[in-house]
Formats: sequence, structure tokens, C-alpha cells
Amino acid sequence: QSVLTQPPSASGTPGQRVTISCSGSSSNIGSHYVYWYQHFPGTAPKFLIYRDDQRPLGVPDRFSGSKSGTSASLAISGLRSEDEAEYYCAAWDDSLSGQVFGSGTKVTVL
Amino acid sequence: QVQLVESGGGLVKPGGSLRLSCATSGFPFSDYYMNWIRQAPGEGLEWVSHINSGGTIHYADSVKGRFTISWDNAKNSLFLHMNSLRAEDTAVYYCARGFDGQLGMDVWGQGTSVTVSS
Repeated sequence: QSVLTQPPSASGTPGQRVTISCSGSSSNIGSHYVYWYQHFPGTAPKFLIYRDDQRPLGVPDRFSGSKSGTSASLAISGLRSEDEAEYYCAAWDDSLSGQVFGSGTKVTVL
Repeated sequence: QVQLVESGGGLVKPGGSLRLSCATSGFPFSDYYMNWIRQAPGEGLEWVSHINSGGTIHYADSVKGRFTISWDNAKNSLFLHMNSLRAEDTAVYYCARGFDGQLGMDVWGQGTSVTVSS
């Protein structure tokens, strides 16, 4: 069981906006930054969002992050076929003294 | 160009040992936290351990007491010594560079596969 809870799947048609939630607790999301990763099977995960809502260089502004309390969200606007991947949230957890990942959300472009 | 290349994976029997390596290049190795993360078949990502040049080390509860992280600054290499391996340790193991100190991971290797089976 993952410490951070994500929906197993999300979908949308090209051009739509898709939002993925990540629910945690006061020991992780509630007191630390959230990070997001994009993962295509068989490849290295890609760094997508840092410090809740910041994009690394090269990440399209279609990807945006937000956080409120003990929950965070990743939004993908203007959905494209190449966005079809698994998305993970992550944060430091004080109780575990380690980083924790969400359970992952598979995004499908219909 | 920043690069991380894992090696050392393979097939090992339950109870056996394996050492994974991560060769790095393109950045001052000792300035960063370095992490190991794994993905078991059909499962999500799981953080395993990290280390920094100051000697700070943390492990996931699932590997504590069995795995040891280390590094060789002269060789710009990270290692994961895995003992008492179990079937549930079967996974692709990735090394990744820390971003915000011990938070976040901005550069990842391609991974090395470990299979624990008799």
C-alpha cells in the first residue's frame, strides 16, 4: 500500500484537460514539497514538477502542479497522445524518514 | 552531459547477494544526494535509499538491515549492496540524482533488472 494515494487511471480526448490527485497526510504532503514524475514503460522516469508547482526547464507549460493542505494535483491541459504514460507524485515523509511515491496514475488518451 | 548508467543486475537465488553499480558523469558527484529507486513487475515506483557526501543515509523499511548504499567519490560511482534477497526484491532498479537536497530526483538512469528466483 502506497503512503500517497492516486487514482489508478485517468483519461481524456486530445485537447482536453486531465487532473490527477495525490492524497497524503501531515507527515508528508502537509509539511513537504511534492514532486511529480512521468514514466513510460521501459524507460527512465522523467522529472516533471518540483516544489509543488515548478516546472524544470524543457517541461511544457501544459503540465502544472498545485497543492492544498495534504493533497496535491497534477493537471495536463491540451492533452496529447504523447502524454499517455504513468504519472507518480512523491514527497518526503517524516514518519518513515524517507521519500514516498504515490501509487501511480495511468493516463490514457482516448 | 549528465549521465547515470546502472549495472550489476541479474538472476540470483533467494537468500543470495548482489551489488548494483551506478556510474555517473557530467556533474560534481559529491555535491548531490544520490538515490536508488525500484519498480517491481506490475507495480509502482518505490524509493529504496539515498546517500550524500556528508554521510547522511536513509533506507526504506522494506530493505533496512539487508541493503547497504555506498559510493566511491574517486570513481563517481554509487553502489547498492543487496543481501538476504527475497522474491519481492525482484524489480528494475534505478539510480537517480537528488534535486532539492534529499528531496526530488531530477536525473535518472535507464535501470538494471534484478530477479530473485530459485
